[in-house]
Amino acid sequence: DTAVSQTPKYLVTQMGNDKSIKCEQNLGHDTMYWYKQDSKKFLKIMFSYNNKELIINETVPNRFSPKSPDKAHLNLHINSLELGDSAVYFCASSQSQGQGAFFGQGTRLTVV
Amino acid sequence: TQLLEQSPQFLSIQEGENLTVYCNSSSVFSSLQWYRQEPGEGPVLLVTVVTGGEVKKLKRLTFQFGDARKDSSLHITAAQPGDTGLYLCAGERGGSNYKLTFGKGTLLTVNP
Repeated sequence: DTAVSQTPKYLVTQMGNDKSIKCEQNLGHDTMYWYKQDSKKFLKIMFSYNNKELIINETVPNRFSPKSPDKAHLNLHINSLELGDSAVYFCASSQSQGQGAFFGQGTRLTVV
Repeated sequence: TQLLEQSPQFLSIQEGENLTVYCNSSSVFSSLQWYRQEPGEGPVLLVTVVTGGEVKKLKRLTFQFGDARKDSSLHITAAQPGDTGLYLCAGERGGSNYKLTFGKGTLLTVNP
């Protein structure tokens, strides 16, 4: 059983389109995250949700909108995609602070 | 300004050699974590350290948290090709509301 699963694994789309990435965790964790990893492998937090409540919004353009229907799911919707949005997006979850995060396998987004 | 500095950025060694990777900061962290990431996959948590001076061992890997909780090191003994990967340190600061800040990583290649 996959602990943190995100779909799709690959996403190729044209500039200006709107796309969504889905994430689900079956670990019973209270906190979920979205991270962006750039071409130099630098991982940067975008959003953090705790029990469906937004905790962190790390100066991400408002074209990015996370949605957490319940504490096991955190989806990411992106409007008006730009070339600079191309990256690998990782969903993660953790039980509490200091406990370490479990990551999904990533979604490689390519905007052409 | 990078909060967590990792060094070296790249490391290529022969099987059987020992190595140490460093993670340094001017900030105090309530916990520090080490992850390993392989190509096409998400980071996998190796260890979490929370107490200044703490040392944890995971088979041939030894992790140390600095006394002042500002730095950490990862030492691998008798490296094997299976140790190849991107090693990431990540710190969490007290009151940071679940924000995990990552270093830029050390790309380790162990040649047979």
